[in-house]
Amino acid sequence: EAEVAQSPRYKITEKSQAVAFWCDPISGHATLYWYRQILGQGPELLVQFQDESVVDDSQLPKDRFSAERLKGVDSTLKIQPAELGDSAMYLCASSANTPGLAGGPRTDTQYFGPGTRLTVL
Amino acid sequence: SQKIEQNSEALNIQEGKTATLTCNYTNYSPAYLQWYRQDPGRGPVFLLLIRENEKEKRKERLKVTFDTTLKQSLFHITASQPADSATYLCALRSGSARQLTFGSGTQLTVLP
Repeated sequence: EAEVAQSPRYKITEKSQAVAFWCDPISGHATLYWYRQILGQGPELLVQFQDESVVDDSQLPKDRFSAERLKGVDSTLKIQPAELGDSAMYLCASSANTPGLAGGPRTDTQYFGPGTRLTVL
Repeated sequence: SQKIEQNSEALNIQEGKTATLTCNYTNYSPAYLQWYRQDPGRGPVFLLLIRENEKEKRKERLKVTFDTTLKQSLFHITASQPADSATYLCALRSGSARQLTFGSGTQLTVLP
């Protein structure tokens, strides 16, 4: 069964350093999402791509976070510089474009990767 | 403001019983609602989707109900097993929104 791949699984860094996370979605999935999940909370969307274009980055702290999906396949999320409050699980997900019923919204069943656990010291 | 609330406390039940988890929302007009399962240190896994015009959905031992008047969804696991122990997340998508919004989850423990 196809899966979303992420690396690294764990990352420990010191504040003010740069970190990068990589995600390879399920083949053929046009939509890719990056989420941040703090322990005890639900995932919070950081950025959403449709193919290579950003469709929603309203919750991305753009002064330090950047994301790209240059060829519309795999994606990289970068944090520079990292801060203590960035410690969290970073999840990548992908979905196929499933049309909605009778003109309704798409049903975005999302397939998540295993995540990257980031610890900032 | 928009809010999604799930059982704030962890839920412990005995094996074989039915687990019922609650998802309440305010200031949303959801087009559909999804339930996901998340194990420790792993990403969420999709379980069920229910649309605004559906009252109930079933899949094996799972059942989801959706009451748009009460603004509530209930998630039931019948004949629960210790392997069902996990955190369960509900997620909503409004008709006008591009994104899913997740609740904070309910941690379920099924005791043998």
